[in-house]
Amino acid sequence: AQTVTQSQPEMSVQEAETVTLSCTYDTSENNYYLFWYKQPPSRQMILVIRQEAYKQQNATENRFSVNFQKAAKSFSLKISDSQLGDTAMYFCAFTTNFGNEKLTFGTGTRLTIIP
Amino acid sequence: EPEVTQTPSHQVTQMGQEVILRCVPISNHLYFYWYRQILGQKVEFLVSFYNNEISEKSEIFDDQFSVERPDGSNFTLKIRSTKLEDSAMYFCASSEGGTAKNIQYFGAGTRLSVL
Repeated sequence: AQTVTQSQPEMSVQEAETVTLSCTYDTSENNYYLFWYKQPPSRQMILVIRQEAYKQQNATENRFSVNFQKAAKSFSLKISDSQLGDTAMYFCAFTTNFGNEKLTFGTGTRLTIIP
Repeated sequence: EPEVTQTPSHQVTQMGQEVILRCVPISNHLYFYWYRQILGQKVEFLVSFYNNEISEKSEIFDDQFSVERPDGSNFTLKIRSTKLEDSAMYFCASSEGGTAKNIQYFGAGTRLSVL
């Protein structure tokens, strides 16, 4: 069974600073996908970024980038130039490349951006 | 931009009553999912649905739960006899399939309160 671990329940950072959220996972699969989802106070789940395990290049989306270390089974999210609107719960999620593609989520990190 | 729509946003029901949570997935998507998030906890997979049948279900998805795609647009989750512990946020998600199949787009959720 796959597991996803987020060891930082809460983090806070000053506006405009950079913050890194940690995620580790465990799987015996070789081909899989990793995601970061953002859940603001409205509680909607919003996809932030996606990484395919077979790609060595780290994914980036504007101010958001990942550090994917396959051997270490680590998938951290870096938010640069943080903004007040980045305040949210952030969930790391995993899915295999098979069949149903269900997502397995970590427990989340509550990020607060301080003005 | 196309989005997954869930109704109602908040459902209050008495223990033992039946509820139906409704979802309209993105129109060209082929894979449908329900997830549950108990307040303060992580998001948990309930069931996936493809080609008019269940692809996979979790141990949470017992006989009191059922899913249906009654027409070409709606995807419903029925809870036959609600329990207090069913109180949670329920998220519907859909994905396209093909090379984009691993990107799941979530609705805003239905908050279910069982009294």
